[in-house]
Amino acid sequence: EVQLVESGGGLVQPGGSLRLSCAASGFTVSSNYMSWVRQAPGKGLEWVSVIYSGGSTYYADSVKGRFTISRHNSKNTLYLQMNSLRAEDTAVYYCARVSDYYDSSGYYWGNWFDPWGQGTLVTVSS
Amino acid sequence: QTVVTQEPSFSVSPGGTVTLTCGLSSGSVSTSYYPSWYQQTPGQAPRTLIYSTNTRSSGVPDRFSGSILGNKAALTITGAQADDESDYYCVLYMGSGLNWVFGGGTKLTVL
Repeated sequence: EVQLVESGGGLVQPGGSLRLSCAASGFTVSSNYMSWVRQAPGKGLEWVSVIYSGGSTYYADSVKGRFTISRHNSKNTLYLQMNSLRAEDTAVYYCARVSDYYDSSGYYWGNWFDPWGQGTLVTVSS
Repeated sequence: QTVVTQEPSFSVSPGGTVTLTCGLSSGSVSTSYYPSWYQQTPGQAPRTLIYSTNTRSSGVPDRFSGSILGNKAALTITGAQADDESDYYCVLYMGSGLNWVFGGGTKLTVL
């Protein structure tokens, strides 16, 4: 079964750090694009970061320079290192695989987020 | 800054049909943005409904369909049921390095 399980959330003071983990089963993290998406309380979904299978990483402007996405291949786990945390980073953080599809002729049909983990809550407060 | 627009809320009667849309603050949505749609109920992770504009994810009932309508992506629910009452999010792919932008979500009420 393809599954993602996040951990590492909790309460942290402004300016503090936290590392989230996302353990995958049923597929290989390093062979896929993997992403983090967050949702502030009562708000919508916000894309945060992605790591490509080749290792390139990208970030939303709101977290650039503060967050770092990485993976541990032998543990088949995705991470999000969050530094200099702010109150506005308070959210449920979901990890998700970026699924995509090329047909037999090589035509690219696009990408989407699936599966999703269950989420882990990060609260930044003094 | 790219903004993806969705109706904040929508209401549909049981058995009725509703179309939710996903637009761009500047420009038109096309299949090249690979629009996908997600359903979320309170306290739960999002569930993939539609990807690549109009492909239903595994296990999604065929009353859910996706399309491009005019200059927007659209999610149509035909024969709405009570358990379709959820938040619905679209996301557009802006390309490598620009990546993904979610819409603000539509809260659908079935009554």
